[in-house]
Amino acid sequence: EPEVTQTPSHQVTQMGQEVILRCVPISNHLYFYWYRQILGQKVEFLVSFYNNEISEKSEIFDDQFSVERPDGSNFTLKIRSTKLEDSAMYFCASRTGTGANNEQFFGPGTRLTVL
Amino acid sequence: GENVEQHPSTLSVQEGDSAVIKCTYSDSASNYFPWYKQELGKRPQLIIDIRSNVGEKKDQRIAVTLNKTAKHFSLHITETQPEDSAVYFCAASFSGSARQLTFGSGTQLTVLP
Repeated sequence: EPEVTQTPSHQVTQMGQEVILRCVPISNHLYFYWYRQILGQKVEFLVSFYNNEISEKSEIFDDQFSVERPDGSNFTLKIRSTKLEDSAMYFCASRTGTGANNEQFFGPGTRLTVL
Repeated sequence: GENVEQHPSTLSVQEGDSAVIKCTYSDSASNYFPWYKQELGKRPQLIIDIRSNVGEKKDQRIAVTLNKTAKHFSLHITETQPEDSAVYFCAASFSGSARQLTFGSGTQLTVLP
């Protein structure tokens, strides 16, 4: 069964550094998402991406964040200048976007630790 | 925007008993309500979902009920087993362009053998 994959599984960085988190959504899916989960808290929506552009973003997704689909398979989240409070698990998700199917499939996550 | 409240935050049951987790949502436009199970350090995995045109859905030991008027939905797990122990999240979304999920705060379910 196809799965969403993410790399790296764990990223440690110094405050102020740039990080890029990578995701490979399921191949025939059209909608892509980034969520984050601070340790012990709920999963929070960051951004959705469709047809090569952002379709929705939350208040968390400020100017320090950007997303890109550089080729036909990867979907990346960049944080330009990381802060301590960016430490969290970041999940990528995708869904088909066809018909009435709303199910989102989540990747295994990237644990980002900002020191 | 949508707000989803979930309770209880922790729930302990004896193996074989039933567990019920409840969520309320604020946006009457929401029409899709999935439940995710998340084991420690793992990805959230969909266990059941329900759309607003349906009042109840069942899949073996798991059922979800939806009351659109009251804007609440519940997860019912019967004959619980130790492997049901995990964090369960409810979520809501609406048929906007992105259908992003708004999650509840999670319930830590512990099934005691």
